[in-house]
Amino acid sequence: QSALTQPASVSGSPGQSITISCTGTSRDVGGYNYVSWYQQHPGKVPKLMIYDVSNRPSGASNRFSGSKSGNTASLTISGLQAEDEADYHCSSYTSSSTWVFGVGTKLTVL
Amino acid sequence: QLQLQESGPGLVKPSETLSLTCTVSGGSISSRSYYWGWIRQPPGKGLEWIGSFLYSGSTFYNPSLKSRVTISVDTSKNQFSLRLSSVTAADTAVYYCARRSSGYLYFDYWGQGTLVTVSS
Repeated sequence: QSALTQPASVSGSPGQSITISCTGTSRDVGGYNYVSWYQQHPGKVPKLMIYDVSNRPSGASNRFSGSKSGNTASLTISGLQAEDEADYHCSSYTSSSTWVFGVGTKLTVL
Repeated sequence: QLQLQESGPGLVKPSETLSLTCTVSGGSISSRSYYWGWIRQPPGKGLEWIGSFLYSGSTFYNPSLKSRVTISVDTSKNQFSLRLSSVTAADTAVYYCARRSSGYLYFDYWGQGTLVTVSS
């Protein structure tokens, strides 16, 4: 199974909004509403921010939102803050009962 | 509070077998409510799912690793283990153990991770 496609990097200024895309196939992202997003600060453990495309777990900021169209899922962070600077990884359940992750996106807050 | 802790050698020689153990506290790996598994991350790269299991149920492996991977369970110690055979430098990574709740398709609890380097 191939890794999901994410941009290598995105950037934004404090207060702005940014969107990170995650592109797969009809066998994963497009076939199921089981996309999740993880935030990972350097040297730290990934933290779940979005599950089932657009749901936020308790403890995740409401500045984070998710959506999906066809084979592409998106994570949007609004009101960008310095603490949001991190790597972001998408993940999807697949038709083979497995999981596939994206290559990861580095978010820089300017 | 659920805690997962990985342990094992930090250095493995090429062609040998990588062995790691995940010790779970604050929860039982024999519960039918949770799946347990392994995820890895090569330095500077993205995450890769290795495999997951449900106690007394099915075990699923990443097709690209399936021929080299075995996940086993020791309920007496509330531990599960990963064995990855015939390792190469490409298997150098931080290895995480993780949990997901049955019926939910995301990983909600992760261990701190352990770096395994494959080198002679």
